[in-house]
Amino acid sequence: AQKVTQAQTEISVVEKEDVTLDCVYETRDTTYYLFWYKQPPSGELVFLIRRNSFDEQNEISGRYSWNFQKSTSSFNFTITASQVVDSAVYFCALKTDSWGKFQFGAGTQVVVTP
Amino acid sequence: EAGVAQSPRYKIIEKRQSVAFWCNPISGHATLYWYQQILGQGPKLLIQFQNNGVVDDSQLPKDRFSAERLKGVDSTLKIQPAKLEDSAVYLCASSFKGSGSHTDTQYFGPGTRLTVL
Repeated sequence: AQKVTQAQTEISVVEKEDVTLDCVYETRDTTYYLFWYKQPPSGELVFLIRRNSFDEQNEISGRYSWNFQKSTSSFNFTITASQVVDSAVYFCALKTDSWGKFQFGAGTQVVVTP
Repeated sequence: EAGVAQSPRYKIIEKRQSVAFWCNPISGHATLYWYQQILGQGPKLLIQFQNNGVVDDSQLPKDRFSAERLKGVDSTLKIQPAKLEDSAVYLCASSFKGSGSHTDTQYFGPGTRLTVL
C-alpha cells in the first residue's frame, strides 16, 4: 500500500525565518516518484518539484530546497527566509508503478506573518 | 500558455439537487483527472481519462457521480443527487504524456468549491 504522512498540520513562522516541512512515504515499489505542490488560498495546486526514486540528489531552487533520503523514506522541503507570499498549504505526493495514482499527504498549512 | 480552466468557481446547492462542473485542460494534454478535496485533506482521485477513455474510476461513487470527456478535450463531472458529504473542492488536472508515464507532472486548475446544504 502507498502512504504519505505529513505529520505537521500547521507551522507558523515570522517572516525571514526558515521553515522545514516533513514528508514521510511508504511504498514497496522500487521505482516511484515524489512531488511537492503548493496550494495558496486561491485553491489551485501549483507544482513545485518532482523527484525520481533513483535520484537522491538534493535540489535547491531559489529559496526552496528539498532533501530526499531513501534510507528514512523522507522527502523534506525547506523554505529559506520565508515571506508572507509563502503562506499556503503544501502537499507532498507519491506516485508508483503499481498504484499508478497520486497519493497525497494531508498537507501542511504554513502561515508566515510579517 | 493557458492553464487548466474550471467553472464555476463556487456552487451552493441543496441536498438531492444536481450539479455539474466543467474543465478545460491545457492544450495538448492527453490525460485529464478529477479530484475531490475535502477540507483539511489532500486531494483524492475520482476519475482519470486518457483522451476520451476512462483509465481509472475505481474511487468514483458511481451511484451518484458521473463524468465524461466526449471529444478528448473538455470534461464534465456531474453529481446527481448531491449529499451533504459531497461538500468539497473539485479539482481538475491534466498531464501531457498519459497514464503510462509516471514521471508525468499534473497541472491543476483553480477548483470548484461545492457547498451542499
